[in-house]
Amino acid sequence: DVKVTQSSRYLVKRTGEKVFLECVQDMDHENMFWYRQDPGLGLRLIYFSYDVKMKEKGDIPEGYSVSREKKERFSLILESASTNQTSMYLCASIGGYLYEQYFGPGTRLTVT
Amino acid sequence: AQKVTQAQTEISVVEKEDVTLDCVYETRDTTYYLFWYKQPPSGELVFLIRRNFFDEQNEISGRYSWNFQKSTSSFNFTITASQVVDSAVYFCALSEAWSGNTPLVFGKGTRLSVIA
Repeated sequence: DVKVTQSSRYLVKRTGEKVFLECVQDMDHENMFWYRQDPGLGLRLIYFSYDVKMKEKGDIPEGYSVSREKKERFSLILESASTNQTSMYLCASIGGYLYEQYFGPGTRLTVT
Repeated sequence: AQKVTQAQTEISVVEKEDVTLDCVYETRDTTYYLFWYKQPPSGELVFLIRRNFFDEQNEISGRYSWNFQKSTSSFNFTITASQVVDSAVYFCALSEAWSGNTPLVFGKGTRLSVIA
């Protein structure tokens, strides 16, 4: 089975803290994605990566950065967390002949 | 630009009723994929189906069926004889298909509640 794992299911951070959200996939997929999910807004793309050390901005990159040093790992970084970044964060990777996006379980981040 | 519209924010049905979730898409791409995902209360997104832009044949999988009509830019999802376990948020999504590895554009989701 494809496995996309995320480092935490729940996270509580204070305003101004630097936050790292880690995502790891074990299927050797080249493409990985970070989405943010908010009620009534659906899933919105923050950043994605086609390969190691490559990154592309999505629809809402402001306030976020990413790191892809190894193929299996894609990290989302909140340089200085703010309350409006309280959300569910979902990581995904694409692969297989059906090009399905496999999603991780999500990290629910609360910034107080 | 790509856009997916799921006009139904919430639907509530009684168990065993049939229910259809609507999805309308917009894209300038000549090749694209359409998807449906299920998000149960546990939160993890579960892949249900992918449809190629050229394949308008209806798909049936058990109690689930999908109707893709390019003429109306719609990709609707029907659950027959709904069950309580079908309660979830359902997302329709779209991606361009030239590479197969591009991000999905999601609709805002439809929350389905099936009441026993």
